[in-house]
Amino acid sequence: EIVLTQSPGTLSLSPGERATLSCRASQSVSSSYLAWYQQKPGQAPRLLIYGASSRATGIPDRFSGSGSGTDFTLTISRLEPEDFAVYYCQQYGGSPPLTFGGGTKVEIK
Amino acid sequence: QVQLVESGGGSVKPGGSLRLSCAASGFTFSDYYMAWIRQAPGKGLEWVSFISNSGTTIYYADSVKGRFTISRDIAKNSLYLQMNSLRAEDTAVYYCARDIVAPGLFFDNWGQGTLVTVSS
Repeated sequence: EIVLTQSPGTLSLSPGERATLSCRASQSVSSSYLAWYQQKPGQAPRLLIYGASSRATGIPDRFSGSGSGTDFTLTISRLEPEDFAVYYCQQYGGSPPLTFGGGTKVEIK
Repeated sequence: QVQLVESGGGSVKPGGSLRLSCAASGFTFSDYYMAWIRQAPGKGLEWVSFISNSGTTIYYADSVKGRFTISRDIAKNSLYLQMNSLRAEDTAVYYCARDIVAPGLFFDNWGQGTLVTVSS
């Protein structure tokens, strides 16, 4: 099973600042098989990035994904008020189980 | 537009059963892999099961294998999760989700979730 470890657990930032979220895999993950989601309280998750760096439909370009192998990053270039939420990475490369990271909460400083 | 609407959640005693349903609309249901993903109160996301578009490929998380059964009815545009031998640790919001159809398995549309509470 591929374990995804997200850091930091909580990120305290101000609107307009840059957010950098990390997702580290316990073994190598093909870039095609890594995604990022955003979840706000009381809502279902929303797909932001798939294939490590492709933005999903309707996702603003301030969200970007990068990385390869075991280290992946989600960057929010300038935080908007609506971006304060919990972010999860997820992988599935063809062999179960499909796994999620534990999440990073981006909170207002 | 794509809509996924879950139903069937509720309170049940340990050892009991529930059947969740997910009604899909706004897309060709038979073209997409579908999944159930759950979230325990205050916790992160946990994949439960997925089923291929044809229904011939099915996988389960180890935590539910042998107790849960996923299925789909193309004629009714519906996804199901039969949950037996429920345990307290199965308490969660259960989401159905649609695959994005790209390499890998990722979910671009989710239902609103249905809460399952297992308690004596």
